[in-house]
Amino acid sequence: KQEVTQIPAALSVPEGENLVLNCSFTDSAIYNLQWFRQDPGKGLTSLLLIQSSQREQTSGRLNASLDKSSGRSTLYIAASQPGDSATYLCAVTTWSGGGADGLTFGKGTHLIIQP
Amino acid sequence: DAGVTQSPTHLIKTRGQQVTLRCSPKSGHDTVSWYQQALGQGPQFIFQYYEEEERQRGNFPDRFSGHQFPNYSSELNVNALLLGDSALYLCASSLDRDPYGYTFGSGTRLTVV
Repeated sequence: KQEVTQIPAALSVPEGENLVLNCSFTDSAIYNLQWFRQDPGKGLTSLLLIQSSQREQTSGRLNASLDKSSGRSTLYIAASQPGDSATYLCAVTTWSGGGADGLTFGKGTHLIIQP
Repeated sequence: DAGVTQSPTHLIKTRGQQVTLRCSPKSGHDTVSWYQQALGQGPQFIFQYYEEEERQRGNFPDRFSGHQFPNYSSELNVNALLLGDSALYLCASSLDRDPYGYTFGSGTRLTVV
């Protein structure tokens, strides 16, 4: 059974710092890995998706890397801003029966950026 | 281009009652998945519908059932509600065989009292 762990569970840093969020998964046979952002009481916003054949993806100040063999991914946020405050969720999916399976999520990292 | 639409946004039910939640997928998407997110937890996969059939199911009891209509919209039904069913229910749509991930709705907040 696939399990996803995110470290740290919570993080509070001053504005302007660069930071790294970590995600690990137990079964390396993934199809892709996705990072999401969730604001309090809201749905999920997809930030970055990395296919299993890729090593990293970048979008603006965000960079996500994937090491499938070791079962790890990191989300790097550069020059953090108060608007980055949210919960960040990592999720993996596998491919079976000709279609993508349901996502398996970690519990998330609750990030607070202090002004 | 409309994203994923869920209704209602909030709902309060009494233990033992039944509830139906609705989801309209993003335009062009044909697959709908449902997730339950308890407070402080990551979403848990309930089931996925494709071509009006349940294709995959997570570790949820039979009290949780669903349906997908020919226009790809979907319903989640929960019978005999328990206090522990209180959660944010998220719907996600995707295009089958397309590797570019899922689009999530804003969710339905269900409170069971």
